[in-house]
Amino acid sequence: EAQVTQNPRYLITVTGKKLTVTCSQNMNHEYMSWYRQDPGLGLRQIYYSMNVEVTDKGDVPEGYKVSRKEKRNFPLILESPSPNQTSLYFCASSLSKATEQFFGPGTRLTVL
Amino acid sequence: DQQVKQNSPSLSVQEGRISILNCDYTNSMFDYFLWYKKYPAEGPTFLISISSIKDKNEDGRFTVFLNKSAKHLSLHIVPSQPGDSAVYFCAARSSIRGSSNTGKLIFGQGTTLQVKP
Repeated sequence: EAQVTQNPRYLITVTGKKLTVTCSQNMNHEYMSWYRQDPGLGLRQIYYSMNVEVTDKGDVPEGYKVSRKEKRNFPLILESPSPNQTSLYFCASSLSKATEQFFGPGTRLTVL
Repeated sequence: DQQVKQNSPSLSVQEGRISILNCDYTNSMFDYFLWYKKYPAEGPTFLISISSIKDKNEDGRFTVFLNKSAKHLSLHIVPSQPGDSAVYFCAARSSIRGSSNTGKLIFGQGTTLQVKP
């Protein structure tokens, strides 16, 4: 089944404790992206990747890092999480930047 | 600065009637628009899209209308069904022809649709 998977689905952590949210797609997509969803703001792009080893900042990249060492994986790293990073996170992928994006099921992160 | 706005946080309609969800945008560089549907505990799923060269696109019960002069688009669902109850996001993207385009989608805040049996 073609899909985008994220892990974990739910995470409660404390300020400053490094964490990684994994994202994997099995559709051989080149383009991958991370979004966060906050009430009243819709989804906002954090980082994106056009292909392996090619990543760039989206609209709200502060406090996040990403890597794209393999085509299928695009982990989101929070080196020192803070409470304002409490949010619902979605990974997405598409064949290219011009085609529709498929979203993962989301990761709900709470930073205390 | 919200470039894509969905001014109605919620909408309630009766089963079998028409649902109309609205979306406004401010950036004239947007040339491709999408609607995504989101159920609780799931990611958004693509529903329908429209290019700026068109003013209407239809797919079964779903039709999207684009009014470029008003910078307004709408999603019509007819007839509405209880399974359509979800959050609907409008999204826009700038022209992909430029090398500077990132493929980023700009989302509205979402409208929660409730279809009552």
